[in-house]
Amino acid sequence: EVQLVESGGGLVKPGGSLRLSCAASGITFSNAWMSWVRQAPGKGLEWIGRIKRKTDVGTIEYAAPVKGRFTISRDDPKNTLYLHMTSLNSDDTAVYYCCTGYSGAFEFWGLGTMVTVSS
Amino acid sequence: QLVLTQSPSASASLGASVKLTCTLGSGHSSYAIAWHQQQPEKGPRYLMTINSDGSHSKGDGIPDRFSGSSSGAERYLSISSLQSEDEADYYCQTWGTGIHEFGGGTKLIVL
Repeated sequence: EVQLVESGGGLVKPGGSLRLSCAASGITFSNAWMSWVRQAPGKGLEWIGRIKRKTDVGTIEYAAPVKGRFTISRDDPKNTLYLHMTSLNSDDTAVYYCCTGYSGAFEFWGLGTMVTVSS
Repeated sequence: QLVLTQSPSASASLGASVKLTCTLGSGHSSYAIAWHQQQPEKGPRYLMTINSDGSHSKGDGIPDRFSGSSSGAERYLSISSLQSEDEADYYCQTWGTGIHEFGGGTKLIVL
């Protein structure tokens, strides 16, 4: 059974930084293309970025709203995905999910971790 | 620009059937999409992938009441024998080179 467990969310002040983690099990993590998706309160789902597997050069792509502020990385021996967020503002308040799939579809989702940006 | 359009809301009676629509933007009518269900206060759950030819593959444990189809740039999610737990938000998702996109979601109300 595939399990994705996010952690690291919490309350952070505007302009601050936070690092989220996503621990994966039940998949060959090193082969997986991993994404982060967020959902602001009462809003829809928003893809924020993806990291490919190392055999695909480990290419990382970001959505425009977070490019230059967020960094996605992975530690394959630890089966863990990371999202390092900087220069946070109120628009970044959301539940953050990690997700993956065998094709482009997100077949597996974590339960999410809440990030609140507020003074 | 990769765009998906969904109606904001839909409703149907308990035990009835409903068909939700996701429309791909201009120039992307051949793209596959995925449907995801999000019940209140829960995370998203993958339902199925639908290809442009209408073929679809479902996630593990998804009931036979859920099916998918396609016509041109439209991708459909059909739910039969509606149950109260089907009341949820339904999102379509597609992907291209270096990008993923979601539709705005359809809130399904089961009357």
